[in-house]
Amino acid sequence: GQQVMQIPQYQHVQEGEDFTTYCNSSTTLSNIQWYKQRPGGHPVFLIQLVKSGEVKKQKRLTFQFGEAKKNSSLHITATQTTDVGTYFCAYNTDKLIFGTGTRLQVFP
Amino acid sequence: SAVISQKPSRDICQRGTSLTIQCQVDSQVTMMFWYRQQPGQSLTLIATANQGSEATYESGFVIDKFPISRPNLTFSTLTVSNMSPEDSSIYLCSVDLAGTNYGYTFGSGTRLTVV
Repeated sequence: GQQVMQIPQYQHVQEGEDFTTYCNSSTTLSNIQWYKQRPGGHPVFLIQLVKSGEVKKQKRLTFQFGEAKKNSSLHITATQTTDVGTYFCAYNTDKLIFGTGTRLQVFP
Repeated sequence: SAVISQKPSRDICQRGTSLTIQCQVDSQVTMMFWYRQQPGQSLTLIATANQGSEATYESGFVIDKFPISRPNLTFSTLTVSNMSPEDSSIYLCSVDLAGTNYGYTFGSGTRLTVV
């Protein structure tokens, strides 16, 4: 399957700052999922988006699916040290294909 | 969501040997998936394990190197054969409970170091 690119690869922020990771595909996706992997842990499902232009919120996290369904973003407002980890987007056909990931480091 | 028990959690192995990783799921699932995560990298799908048929391997992965068993709807094993240091990675199993909207559930992973 095609690879989905994420930017940035790494992001270091001060606690309280906002953070955004972007997920880009060259082709239209039927859905996008987001996962968080804490250091030393395994990926944990956060959310799934399926509709063009869809926006979903989970507390300080806002997820968006682009109008063309080729890109997605995850925005964290006022980061906390508990947000540290790698955030992956992924798309699901009959199998789950992961994006390249963005590693977030939060300094207190 | 499903609960997956994966073992071993970590191992250090000599090159040329083989390691078998086990995953047990607490519910019946049609497909189980095996991933590799090299240090600092994303997850790469190795193969899809279907009960009652041979596993389906992704490009770059072959059955001789990564034989998979799927004896029933709750269990699967992945063997890493004839290991070399390049096989040092985290290996994860995963399931997708279709229709639950809970995404894929992952085992806790096996951290393999080949020396």
